[in-house]
Amino acid sequence: EAQVTQNPRYLITVTGKKLTVTCSQNMNHEYMSWYRQDPGLGLRQIYYSMNVEVTDKGDVPEGYKVSRKEKRNFPLILESPSPNQTSLYFCASSPTSTGLNEKLFFGSGTQLSVL
Amino acid sequence: GDSVTQMEGPVTLSEEAFLTINCTYTATGYPSLFWYVQYPGEGLQLLLKATKADDKGSNKGFEATYRKETTSFHLEKGSVQVSDSAVYFCALMNYGGSQGNLIFGKGTKLSVKP
Repeated sequence: EAQVTQNPRYLITVTGKKLTVTCSQNMNHEYMSWYRQDPGLGLRQIYYSMNVEVTDKGDVPEGYKVSRKEKRNFPLILESPSPNQTSLYFCASSPTSTGLNEKLFFGSGTQLSVL
Repeated sequence: GDSVTQMEGPVTLSEEAFLTINCTYTATGYPSLFWYVQYPGEGLQLLLKATKADDKGSNKGFEATYRKETTSFHLEKGSVQVSDSAVYFCALMNYGGSQGNLIFGKGTKLSVKP
């Protein structure tokens, strides 16, 4: 089954403790992206990747890192989480980054709470 | 910069009522427009899209028409069902601007009562 898989689904952590949220897609998509969803703010893009070894900042990249060493994986890294990073996070992918197919496939989300 | 504005929710309707969720946009050039839907506990799914002026996107009884003169892409459905309860996001992608970013509105929560 074609899908975008995020793990974990729920995560509670404490300020300053490094964490990684994994994202994997099995559709050989070039483009992958991370969003955070907050009440009243909708979805905001954190980072995106057009292809392997190519990443770029979105609208709210501060406090986050990403890497794209393989086409299928796009982990989101919080080196020193803070309470303002408490949010619902979504990973998404798309077959191409050239606009020929703009449909995004979303994972089921990761609810992160930073205490 | 480019932006999307959609009506604030929540919107509560009775089953079989008519639905309109307003969406307007600001963008240079000729963006593509989308409606995504998020069912409880799930990620977003593409509902419909339109890529040029006067195009009508449709899916599952939902429709939206790309109106360049009013910069709008309102979502409509003639008769909603309880299963349509979800959060609806209007979005745009503008090829004249930064590649790789789908810009979302804040979302409108729809609740349909039996």
